[in-house]
Amino acid sequence: RKEVEQDPGPFNVPEGATVAFNCTYSNSASQSFFWYRQDCRKEPKLLMSVYSSGNEDGRFTAQLNRASQYISLLIRDSKLSDSATYLCVVNLDYGGSQGNLIFGKGTKLSVKP
Amino acid sequence: NAGVTQTPKFQVLKTGQSMTLQCAQDMNHNSMYWYRQDPGMGLRLIYYSASEGTTDKGEVPNGYNVSRLNKREFSLRLESAAPSQTSVYFCASSHYDPFGSYNEQFFGPGTRLTVL
Repeated sequence: RKEVEQDPGPFNVPEGATVAFNCTYSNSASQSFFWYRQDCRKEPKLLMSVYSSGNEDGRFTAQLNRASQYISLLIRDSKLSDSATYLCVVNLDYGGSQGNLIFGKGTKLSVKP
Repeated sequence: NAGVTQTPKFQVLKTGQSMTLQCAQDMNHNSMYWYRQDPGMGLRLIYYSASEGTTDKGEVPNGYNVSRLNKREFSLRLESAAPSQTSVYFCASSHYDPFGSYNEQFFGPGTRLTVL
């Protein structure tokens, strides 16, 4: 069965905190990996892709461990504006094909003043 | 550019009624998608169209039909709505290059559908 598992949270953290989200996937044939962000009652938007070597975008760091089938997202120096639900997404297809995107249920983050 | 637009934003149907959800994109993308999002569930793909003239079933196609009207527009039809189809429906689009790497999917604002 194709599954992407995430801790649903909510994660309630103070401004400035560092928070980490984890995600596991069951299909070892998964090809590419992403984190999307979804604000309350809004559409999902791509936050960042996840590469085997790890990648960083400002305060956000994503890591992939293919052997353990594990993806992580680290947010440093949390801002109020980071409050959202973070979706772990796995693509089972090669190349640009996207008919097999599997979305996790999301982890809700609430950053408090 | 408007990106991906969806109509209507909200809809209430009675069981057995039919309706069509409209989606359009102005980014010249060749691939378009319809998802549903239910509480406690991840987004699930209903149908997708990799390019104009093609459509394929996703994970949960039963009870739905789609039409790729042209490169810009991709509609989703519920022929006989059921309460189990109460959900938030998202349309998305992306560039598709079969020999290239993943290209970001851009989502519309969603349609909130309630079937009584």
